[in-house]
Amino acid sequence: DAGVTQSPTHLIKTRGQQVTLRCSPKSGHDTVSWYQQALGQGPQFIFQYYEEEERQRGNFPDRFSGHQFPNYSSELNVNALLLGDSALYLCASSLVAGGLPNEKLFFGSGTQLSVL
Amino acid sequence: GEDVEQSLFLSVREGDSSVINCTYTDSSSTYLYWYKQEPGAGLQLLTYIFSNMDMKQDQRLTVLLNKKDKHLSLRIADTQTGDSAIYFCAETLYNQGGKLIFGQGTELSVKP
Repeated sequence: DAGVTQSPTHLIKTRGQQVTLRCSPKSGHDTVSWYQQALGQGPQFIFQYYEEEERQRGNFPDRFSGHQFPNYSSELNVNALLLGDSALYLCASSLVAGGLPNEKLFFGSGTQLSVL
Repeated sequence: GEDVEQSLFLSVREGDSSVINCTYTDSSSTYLYWYKQEPGAGLQLLTYIFSNMDMKQDQRLTVLLNKKDKHLSLRIADTQTGDSAIYFCAETLYNQGGKLIFGQGTELSVKP
């Protein structure tokens, strides 16, 4: 049973460029959340996707956008990259049950993004 | 507001017990979690507790929740060198399932 998988594992971009990160949820999960973890900090919630729609959003600018596909996989897009966007980007998946997300969230290993 | 705080470092000897503490501010927490992160890796869910519980035990792990003081702790019995990692406390709030609010993490160092 595959867990949450993310690609690529590492990425180097320059300021102003755009980047797309990908996530496949754990088998049987239908909800995907994205988090940004800066060096030495705890993860910060970016947004959550369920039924191909953004359901919740954290305090991130519109440069951060996402998408969820019918197979529940998801993409995170970041436009006009800034140096401060350098971080580990984590994807987490869970299952909605009874209209509420399940309490167990499983994380992937992340994509390390470096912006030069 | 939403805030989760942890002490940054803890050092113990192999075989001792480790206690990692966490405080949170929002009284509408529903679930509280402990995650482990090893270098270069994602987050591993260790255990979680529903906010109406006081204690949960899972093998070497014991979670204590004091809802009145908004204090959560994780006790690791018989700590091993393989337990060296960063431990994150996190909460979800009522009606915001899936949005985790994390602390800064506690770096646990286990010395042989």
